[in-house]
Amino acid sequence: IVLVQSPGTLSLSPGERVTISCRASQTVRTSYLAWYQQRPGQPPRLLIYGTTSRATGTPDRFSGGGSGTDFTLTISRLEPEDFATYFCHYYGNSVSFGGGTKVEI
Amino acid sequence: QVQLQESGPRLVKPSQTLSLTCTVSGGSIRSGAYYWSWIRQYPGKGLEWIGYIYDSGSTFYNPSLESRLTISIDTSKNQFFLNMTSVTAADTALYYCARGRHDYGDYYYWGRGALVTVSS
Repeated sequence: IVLVQSPGTLSLSPGERVTISCRASQTVRTSYLAWYQQRPGQPPRLLIYGTTSRATGTPDRFSGGGSGTDFTLTISRLEPEDFATYFCHYYGNSVSFGGGTKVEI
Repeated sequence: QVQLQESGPRLVKPSQTLSLTCTVSGGSIRSGAYYWSWIRQYPGKGLEWIGYIYDSGSTFYNPSLESRLTISIDTSKNQFFLNMTSVTAADTALYYCARGRHDYGDYYYWGRGALVTVSS
């Protein structure tokens, strides 16, 4: 399964709302779709698992949704620490990561 | 608090074998609820899944790398291992180990990563 994220880069300001898309090449199980945040020099940090569930420590301004082949990560109001790169991830017969979306100031 | 730490040579010559160890602390590697993964990242780019192993020893590999891979586990030492043969410059990357949760397939715990350079 190939995961395609869009857009590749977003240039935004603090306080704005952002939605990142992740499209799968075939229908996937929502239980196994996750989102990660990665800041420079750090490993990825789990934000969302099972499409919609926030991981421990994930602020409630982050939300996930979707089904079938189309999934989204939404940040309701960007905080300065949210400027980072975001990846979607699927665990199935194989494991796939999206190409990443960089959210920059 | 579970912690993972990658270790091993950071410089490998072309055609030789890349070998990394992931040491798990703060929790037992013996659990059917989790699987133990290797993931790599090229500088400034995306993530590539390499493969994973269960405590039973069952392994699953990225098909594009499978012919060069061996992932193994030593539950007595709380460690798992990556061996990748016949490396080239294209294998230069940051290698992460991570713990995956079987019920959701997600990775909550990651190592800090080991930058491995393939060069003569």
